[in-house]
Amino acid sequence: RKEVEQDPGPFNVPEGATVAFNCTYSNSASQSFFWYRQDCRKEPKLLMSVYSSGNEDGRFTAQLNRASQYISLLIRDSKLSDSATYLCVVNSQGQLTFGSGTQLTVLP
Amino acid sequence: EAQVTQNPRYLITVTGKKLTVTCSQNMNHEYMSWYRQDPGLGLRQIYYSMNVEVTDKGDVPEGYKVSRKEKRNFPLILESPSPNQTSLYFCASQSGWGRYEQYFGPGTRLTVT
Repeated sequence: RKEVEQDPGPFNVPEGATVAFNCTYSNSASQSFFWYRQDCRKEPKLLMSVYSSGNEDGRFTAQLNRASQYISLLIRDSKLSDSATYLCVVNSQGQLTFGSGTQLTVLP
Repeated sequence: EAQVTQNPRYLITVTGKKLTVTCSQNMNHEYMSWYRQDPGLGLRQIYYSMNVEVTDKGDVPEGYKVSRKEKRNFPLILESPSPNQTSLYFCASQSGWGRYEQYFGPGTRLTVT
């Protein structure tokens, strides 16, 4: 079993749609969690950290469920510019492990 | 401007010809890493360094070497490249261990024939 698993997609959604990604992790001692965004052939960039209570940044909401060992990312009112690959990242004892990413395409 | 730079950005080479990919950061970060990214496998850590002269193996270190003689530089060395090292390579730095944001370089696309 992979340490961090994501549905690779692709997710193709119309502009304005709400889309949700899930990510599961295997190490119950994992301490912190992140979502990164990666545009085609570019470097990953931090989208948001994920806090235990859940957190929101504009159209983006991240949730953490420690009991079930998954994190989620919700994107509301999708824009064309949201098209990218979204990487789930888990920190266990200082080491970051990346999921293989979920590809999102927002269609006009 | 805070950034991580890598050179070269693109490289095509032949099996066995030693090469070095340079990485430099201007943020005075202690922690630096090298990753490779392959389709379906995501980002896998090759080596990391927690400070000058302190380096350690990541998940896929075979065939690679690194050095950390200065805080800002963390070169990746392939002594004898092979075709299975064809990949997209990213250098990253962060100010602390674990909880902090990682800043990535623009990537180096390496092809070994």
